[in-house]
Amino acid sequence: SAVISQKPSRDICQRGTSLTIQCQVDSQVTMMFWYRQQPGQSLTLIATANQGSEATYESGFVIDKFPISRPNLTFSTLTVSNMSPEDSSIYLCSVEVAGRVNTEAFFGQGTRLTVV
Amino acid sequence: QKEVEQDPGPLSVPEGAIVSLNCTYSNSAFQYFMWYRQYSRKGPELLMYTYSSGNKEDGRFTAQVDKSSKYISLFIRDSQPSDSATYLCAMSLRQGAQKLVFGQGTRLTINP
Repeated sequence: SAVISQKPSRDICQRGTSLTIQCQVDSQVTMMFWYRQQPGQSLTLIATANQGSEATYESGFVIDKFPISRPNLTFSTLTVSNMSPEDSSIYLCSVEVAGRVNTEAFFGQGTRLTVV
Repeated sequence: QKEVEQDPGPLSVPEGAIVSLNCTYSNSAFQYFMWYRQYSRKGPELLMYTYSSGNKEDGRFTAQVDKSSKYISLFIRDSQPSDSATYLCAMSLRQGAQKLVFGQGTRLTINP
């Protein structure tokens, strides 16, 4: 299993500003993922962040809007840039580790972002 | 059309009832099927994990996968108020945490 800490847990931001979300894991992991959970919508993968390489973004998400850092095997950041009210969402960090049966995804508690 | 469809509810049932939660999907290549439980203001946690078609039971929870119908289900027996949460189905082409595709989630309330 893995214990994942996200900071901040919530924030209210002005449009046009940027927010950086931190994700800290209690063990070294190869793969980290960033998801967005918009109100009433599915949990959607933004990008996969591997240490030592550029993040891989899913369709509809771009690096200029959601830059990601992965400086080591226990830490990653996601920045939401030039925010608009449409960016109001919960952002979740996830890692792949050995679970009870197979490798599985563990999630942080999420960062609840409101853009005004 | 969404790749994974899940009725968002909300679903409210009395304590002790059998709960049935379902998802349909369009991509026949999905091989791994999961159910996550998400309590309010928490991240999702893995509840059930199934490979390909068939049933899997874990205590009061049973997961069913019917690949021919592209339909998966989660049954909760003897439901408890502590089961009140949002349940998300998820599926993927490969084992592990990569490229998970989630349903919208069903909000479930178990009334004492």
